[in-house]
Amino acid sequence: KAGVTQTPRYLIKTRGQQVTLSCSPISGHRSVSWYQQTPGQGLQFLFEYFSETQRNKGNFPGRFSGRQFSNSRSEMNVSTLELGDSALYLCASSLGLAISGLETQYFGPGTRLLVL
Amino acid sequence: AQKVTQAQTEISVVEKEDVTLDCVYETRDTTYYLFWYKQPPSGELVFLIRRNSFDEQNEISGRYSWNFQKSTSSFNFTITASQVVDSAVYFCALSEAGATDSWGKLQFGAGTQVVVTP
Repeated sequence: KAGVTQTPRYLIKTRGQQVTLSCSPISGHRSVSWYQQTPGQGLQFLFEYFSETQRNKGNFPGRFSGRQFSNSRSEMNVSTLELGDSALYLCASSLGLAISGLETQYFGPGTRLLVL
Repeated sequence: AQKVTQAQTEISVVEKEDVTLDCVYETRDTTYYLFWYKQPPSGELVFLIRRNSFDEQNEISGRYSWNFQKSTSSFNFTITASQVVDSAVYFCALSEAGATDSWGKLQFGAGTQVVVTP
């Protein structure tokens, strides 16, 4: 089975621009979570989508948004980029079947975003 | 408040030595999962092991073993006979089953850099 894929792998943008990152989950997985990783803040949860609905959201400003499509693929968008948005953005997928929400998440290779 | 604490920033060992990574967590939930992930320089987080809160049995899987103790809220991870390929950052993570604000959310420690030299 193919793993989680993310595109693009690297991205350079300038302040004020917007960016869209894409994530394709493992086949059969319906839940997609997004994380931001920076040297200063570590790994932080952005949001989680299941069946095209955002079920949970982390503590990030409204400039960070996402969506999920009917095939479970997900995109996240960051508008009005700031220097501090430079980070590794990771997405993870899981089956989405557990009533408790407790499942193993499998991660993609990430998108490295540099904001100049 | 930090829910997962990895006090060790970096551990350096010589190949074939054992490496033990410490993890202390905090939760009020009675149902939760604990994980260890490995992040090599390429950046991808690789799932290693998972433990649920109801199973304190410690296990060994190949060169990996873990020690889960609810009494001390610790979930330590050991690599036996380390190899150069084990060099990476290792993250401990907590997933809680509580309120809806836990859905799909892993809470990570700061990570421990493991350096294995030949």
